[in-house]
Amino acid sequence: TQTVSQSDAHVTVFEGDSVELRCNYSYGGSIYLSWYIQHHGHGLQFLLKYYSGNPVVQGVNGFEAEFSKSDSSFHLRKASVHWSDSAVYFCAVSSYGSSGNKLIFGIGTLLSVKP
Amino acid sequence: AQTIHQWPVAEIKAVGSPLSLGCTIKGKSSPNLYWYWQATGGTLQQLFYSITVGQVESVVQLNLSASRPKDDQFILSTEKLLLSHSGFYLCAWSPSVWGEDTQYFGPGTRLLVL
Repeated sequence: TQTVSQSDAHVTVFEGDSVELRCNYSYGGSIYLSWYIQHHGHGLQFLLKYYSGNPVVQGVNGFEAEFSKSDSSFHLRKASVHWSDSAVYFCAVSSYGSSGNKLIFGIGTLLSVKP
Repeated sequence: AQTIHQWPVAEIKAVGSPLSLGCTIKGKSSPNLYWYWQATGGTLQQLFYSITVGQVESVVQLNLSASRPKDDQFILSTEKLLLSHSGFYLCAWSPSVWGEDTQYFGPGTRLLVL
């Protein structure tokens, strides 16, 4: 059974601060991990994805994430946040199986950036 | 570039009434298509996926059905809405069924069932 855990429901930081949003997964097979962002009332935008190679993945708008097999983690980071980064961030694990290319999402972390 | 369009943007419907939501992908032939549902303030759950025209697989049963009448079109429907159908419906596409392929999402349709 694949599971994705996002331990922080809500993170609040000030503009210019660094931030780390945490994601842990459990899955026994080949694993592909993604982060998506959802601004209020909108669809999901793809940020970045890991499936092999360098464990540090660069994404859009200065985001990066680091895959750790030993910790079963894929935390998202940004060195200096902007108010426009305020949104809900979803971590997801994907695999191919009986449900096709299935994405399992975490519950999401709401990031609030204060001016 | 590929674009994904969903219609309508939002719907308010009565319990027991029918529903049809649509999704169109432009700029990509033979995409793999998906429907997701998101309860208000909640996470996303995959409902259906389709690899080709006329073929749809159900992932979760929520008294909904899906069809793929054209290569670039995916329809979500039901004959009788329930209160529990309220939420945000997102269509997504990927180049193939393989896990390493990224899924790209549409803008979504917000549904309120009263």
